[in-house]
Amino acid sequence: NIVLTQSPATLSVTPGESVSLSCRASQSISTSIHWYQQKSNESPRLLIKYASQSISGIPSRFSGSGSGTDFTLSINRVESEDFSIYYCQQSYSSLYTFGSGTKLEIK
Amino acid sequence: QVKLLQSGAELVKPGASVKLSCKTSGFTFSTSYMTWLKQVPGPSIEWIGWIYGGDGASNYNQKFKGKATLTVDRSSSTAYMDLSSLTSEDAAVYFCATGYNYFDYWGQGVMVTVSS
Repeated sequence: NIVLTQSPATLSVTPGESVSLSCRASQSISTSIHWYQQKSNESPRLLIKYASQSISGIPSRFSGSGSGTDFTLSINRVESEDFSIYYCQQSYSSLYTFGSGTKLEIK
Repeated sequence: QVKLLQSGAELVKPGASVKLSCKTSGFTFSTSYMTWLKQVPGPSIEWIGWIYGGDGASNYNQKFKGKATLTVDRSSSTAYMDLSSLTSEDAAVYFCATGYNYFDYWGQGVMVTVSS
């Protein structure tokens, strides 16, 4: 199984700061990584597909980068509505797996 | 717009089975893939499997073979998941979602509680 390790587990920031969330794969997965946001008691929402492809309706402050084993979700100037948990997910292998998430909290 | 409406919360006894539904609208069900996922607090999200709305072809996470059975009803654009021989390990929130390698629309989730 491909293991996705997200770091940090928790990130405390002030609104207006820009942040980078990391997702590292246990083996090379090309760009087969997708990012989701999950707010408390809600369903996950797709933010980025295939490492850097934008999704219709998602604010432009969200962007993704990376290939191989190291991936980053960047949020430019965090807004109050962005405080939630972020997951990465890989579709490189036939057994899709998720990372354990990064919680973005208000400092 | 795309909507995925899942059935309500379930309280089931150990050893019993449960059938969860996911009624869809706003897209062409017969040319779409539906995926089911499991979420338990802490360990994150697990992919259970997908089913194709056109012909019912499916693909499962080996871990859930024998536990989960995915079906569709094309006449009502509804996807179903049967969970059998439930134990405390099956207590979780289950989501349906569209797509087979990434998941762009999600149902609201259904909590399954296993208790005698």
